[in-house]
Amino acid sequence: SAVISQKPSRDICQRGTSLTIQCQVDSQVTMMFWYRQQPGQSLTLIATANQGSEATYESGFVIDKFPISRPNLTFSTLTVSNMSPEDSSIYLCSARGSGELFFGEGSRLTVL
Amino acid sequence: GQQLNQSPQSMFIQEGEDVSMNCTSSSIFNTWLWYKQDPGEGPVLLIALYKAGELTSNGRLTAQFGITRKDSFLNISASIPSDVGIYFCAGLLSDSNYQLIWGAGTKLIIKP
Repeated sequence: SAVISQKPSRDICQRGTSLTIQCQVDSQVTMMFWYRQQPGQSLTLIATANQGSEATYESGFVIDKFPISRPNLTFSTLTVSNMSPEDSSIYLCSARGSGELFFGEGSRLTVL
Repeated sequence: GQQLNQSPQSMFIQEGEDVSMNCTSSSIFNTWLWYKQDPGEGPVLLIALYKAGELTSNGRLTAQFGITRKDSFLNISASIPSDVGIYFCAGLLSDSNYQLIWGAGTKLIIKP
């Protein structure tokens, strides 16, 4: 199994600022993903983080708002840009390894 | 788009009772996954199902992949307090990517 570490685990942010979430996997994985989980909701896929190329975004999510990096097979970042209270959510990193999908513990963002 | 209908939305049960929840869809899935999410944590994979009709157990948990490939259920026998949490089903439509379709979750609450 893969162990996924996310930082920060939680943060309180001011409106209009940006925050970058880091995701580190303890082994090389083929695919990494970023999800958003709004309060009381299920998970929504934001994008697939592609190593060495631009991320693939799902409908409703754009690179200007959620820029993603994936410089290698074990690390990715998600930035939530120009935050508003509507961006208050848990952001989850996940990775595919050994045919299974593993999740980090999530980063809980509160935007004031 | 594809949707998964997960029910029930929540369950209040007595310790020791058996629990059953299910997911249905109008789409055919290649894989069904069941996850549990504890408060403040990311989802953790409980059971993965890969073939129609497959019945798989993990301790007190049993899940089945429906023969029509459009549904799955999860049973928990003799529930204990640590079973509380939110259970999510997720389906994979294709093996070419790993974009899961998620159910809305079933919140399990054990009455004292």
